[in-house]
Amino acid sequence: ETGVTQTPRHLVMGMTNKKSLKCEQHLGHNAMYWYKQSAKKPLELMFVYSLEERVENNSVPSRFSPECPNSSHLFLHLHTLQPEDSALYLCASSQDPGQGAEKQYFGPGTRLTVT
Amino acid sequence: GQNIDQPTEMTATEGAIVQINCTYQTSGFNGLFWYQQHAGEAPTFLSYNVLDGLEEKGRFSSFLSRSKGYSYLLLKELQMKDSASYLCAVKDSNYQLIWGAGTKLIIKP
Repeated sequence: ETGVTQTPRHLVMGMTNKKSLKCEQHLGHNAMYWYKQSAKKPLELMFVYSLEERVENNSVPSRFSPECPNSSHLFLHLHTLQPEDSALYLCASSQDPGQGAEKQYFGPGTRLTVT
Repeated sequence: GQNIDQPTEMTATEGAIVQINCTYQTSGFNGLFWYQQHAGEAPTFLSYNVLDGLEEKGRFSSFLSRSKGYSYLLLKELQMKDSASYLCAVKDSNYQLIWGAGTKLIIKP
């Protein structure tokens, strides 16, 4: 199943740049997530929004700033990133994060390279 | 701390059967998920187990033993398109997904 889109798919930015990642879900879900995926490492949950309110922020550096203007859209604003921030950034959505069986639907990700 | 362990990489032959194991130590348990992720693509849901036992879905089956903190994903009649990474994840007591690093499965003809 698709239904979660992310743009751009690839992004190269310098450490002094400011850029934004965009995620849109077309599934009518109430919760949206940002994950970081680095090679051979587990998915790291960065932020969770439920009904447009941030409910989780897993000690993410302030150079990452999320924004959720409505339940269908999620942004990740990036500034003064470090080379170790290079990774695949995945967006996901789910209907209700408080349900055990509730699965998450992922977008294809943005491959970010920080130079 | 919370931890999910699964093998980094496995190799199998087309048409054969492969079992990918996952062990977990989490604060609480609200179910275990398996996802498939092809290179450069989104993870997609495969299975969910919350009770002990085997769940079968076509060529794929998933097993759970809560007392042992153990699950496996069984893939039968392997096809080349099954070459992908398989991610194990557990929902903890806060309903947060704790992820393993994934198992890269390589299928050879």
